[in-house]
Amino acid sequence: QKEVEQNSGPLSVPEGAIASLNCTYSDRVSQSFFWYRQYSGKSPELIMSIYSNGDKEDGRFTAQLNKASQYVSLLIRDSQPSDSATYLCAVITGSARQLTFGSGTQLTVLP
Amino acid sequence: EAQVTQNPRYLITVTGKKLTVTCSQNMNHEYMSWYRQDPGLGLRQIYYSMNVEVTDKGDVPEGYKVSRKEKRNFPLILESPSPNQTSLYFCASSGGNTDTQYFGPGTRLTVL
Repeated sequence: QKEVEQNSGPLSVPEGAIASLNCTYSDRVSQSFFWYRQYSGKSPELIMSIYSNGDKEDGRFTAQLNKASQYVSLLIRDSQPSDSATYLCAVITGSARQLTFGSGTQLTVLP
Repeated sequence: EAQVTQNPRYLITVTGKKLTVTCSQNMNHEYMSWYRQDPGLGLRQIYYSMNVEVTDKGDVPEGYKVSRKEKRNFPLILESPSPNQTSLYFCASSGGNTDTQYFGPGTRLTVL
């Protein structure tokens, strides 16, 4: 059974702080990992993709992947009120490219 | 502009009245997929298509049909909608040498 779990929210951080979002997945053969941001009533928007163990940085965002621990995280540095949204962890497994989402973590950045 | 489009964006209908939600992408993507999103249940895959004339069930296919006659289009068909199909629906596509899925703007469906 494919499963993706995210740390329960909601999560609140002050403006300028680091927001840390975590995700674990159950299928050991998972190959591709994504973080999407979703504003209320809008479609998911890709923030980061990561495929190899280690860190991947893009501006204020850093994704971290540890396949041995089946763990992927997203760090948001210098958080801004505009970062307030629901963050979705998603994992692809197998040749069918089926994308399984976690339930999301709602982040609020307080001015 | 590379995009995934869906129509209609909002739809209110009644139980049993057949409807189709269209999805189109202009990125020449092979893979297309439909999801529904419900509070507390997250995004769940309904159907997907790996290429023209190749479709398969996702996690929640009951009550839905799809077709993929052309590469760019992937319509979602509800032949006899029921109130439990009230939801927010997203179409997505991916292709080339990446698994990244790009989402359409969503269709909010209410079945009375």
